[in-house]
Amino acid sequence: DAGVTQSPTHLIKTRGQQVTLRCSPKSGHDTVSWYQQALGQGPQFIFQYYEEEERQRGNFPDRFSGHQFPNYSSELNVNALLLGDSALYLCASSAGPTGDEQYFGPGTRLTVT
Amino acid sequence: DQQVKQNSPSLSVQEGRISILNCDYTNSMFDYFLWYKKYPAEGPTFLISISSIKDKNEDGRFTVFLNKSAKHLSLHIVPSQPGDSAVYFCAASANSNYQLIWGAGTKLIIKP
Repeated sequence: DAGVTQSPTHLIKTRGQQVTLRCSPKSGHDTVSWYQQALGQGPQFIFQYYEEEERQRGNFPDRFSGHQFPNYSSELNVNALLLGDSALYLCASSAGPTGDEQYFGPGTRLTVT
Repeated sequence: DQQVKQNSPSLSVQEGRISILNCDYTNSMFDYFLWYKKYPAEGPTFLISISSIKDKNEDGRFTVFLNKSAKHLSLHIVPSQPGDSAVYFCAASANSNYQLIWGAGTKLIIKP
């Protein structure tokens, strides 16, 4: 049973560029949440997708957007990258938007130069 | 404004002894608390949770205690094993809102 997978593992981008990160949820899960984890801090909630819609959103600017596909996989898009966007981006899946514990992928390390 | 605080960045414990990791929160609306463990280069792994209607939840070597009046929870690991060495995160949510608010983590080191 495959767990949560994310791609790519690492990514280096330049300020002002755009980036797309991808996530495939654990088998049987239909909800995907995205988190940003800066160095030395805990993950910060970006948003959650369920039934192909954004259901909840944290305190992140509109530069951060996402999408969920019919197969429940998800993308996180960040436009006009800033140096401060450098972080580990974690995807988590769960069975339902208020389901029990979330399962996390290994993350995508984004470096903005 | 940090709503979930883990004030100890690191903790070192002898193998076989008890590890106690602490977490404080400020938002009285939080009603569900979770502990996650994270190894380097991996995503966080769920360990144990507790609802605000309980004050204790146990799962094998792991026990979480919740003190609502003090807005404090703790994770006890006994006995501590070398494989327990990891970063432990406390997280909380309110009203079944699955927007988890996380602490900054505590790095636990188990000494042989």
